[in-house]
Amino acid sequence: GIQVEQSPPDLILQEGANSTLRCNFSDSVNNLQWFHQNPWGQLINLFYIPSGTKQNGRLSATTVATERYSLLYISSSQTTDSGVYFCAVAGSGAGSYQLTFGKGTKLSVIP
Amino acid sequence: DAGITQSPRHKVTETGTPVTLRCHQTENHRYMYWYRQDPGHGLRLIHYSYGVKDTDKGEVSDGYSVSRSKTEDFLLTLESATSSQTSVYFCAISVGDPRSSYNEQFFGPGTRLTVL
Repeated sequence: GIQVEQSPPDLILQEGANSTLRCNFSDSVNNLQWFHQNPWGQLINLFYIPSGTKQNGRLSATTVATERYSLLYISSSQTTDSGVYFCAVAGSGAGSYQLTFGKGTKLSVIP
Repeated sequence: DAGITQSPRHKVTETGTPVTLRCHQTENHRYMYWYRQDPGHGLRLIHYSYGVKDTDKGEVSDGYSVSRSKTEDFLLTLESATSSQTSVYFCAISVGDPRSSYNEQFFGPGTRLTVL
């Protein structure tokens, strides 16, 4: 199956700083999603981005499908950005039903 | 939140007892999924459903069964719970079609299950 690697595994930021999270995947994908799991365990959809670039407020994401990676940018971080960020992908054919998750990047934003 | 609820939200049970978790959705989505989340593993797919009475296995299906008798409900059953099934269980739905160019999954709030 598809392998997903996220980096860095842990990140500590001062409030107001910017950061870039990376997701590498081992095969072509039809689906790539970024999620934020907040400290209460809720999984929040950030982006559906199998290719291209999207922006939503202080967050943006870019997926370069031909090179098999995606980046999530967080600008002007806030304490509410703390939590774990997951990248998840699905391939084509029989693999299209299953999202394969990376192990996540744990972000801590300190005041 | 894509209209997904899970029940119960927390459960503590003993080894060997049967447990059923329920996922309910209000928006008539065809595809539904059960994942488990364990430390160091992200989320892993247990079973999924592509319609009423249509289900299939995922990556970690051993020890679990599912049923879907109506579009809105997807049940996950642990026939005889074991301590290795202590986990957080998430239900998800697909908006779109996994076989098409658009397939975005949304997740319910999760059920924390502890097997003693």
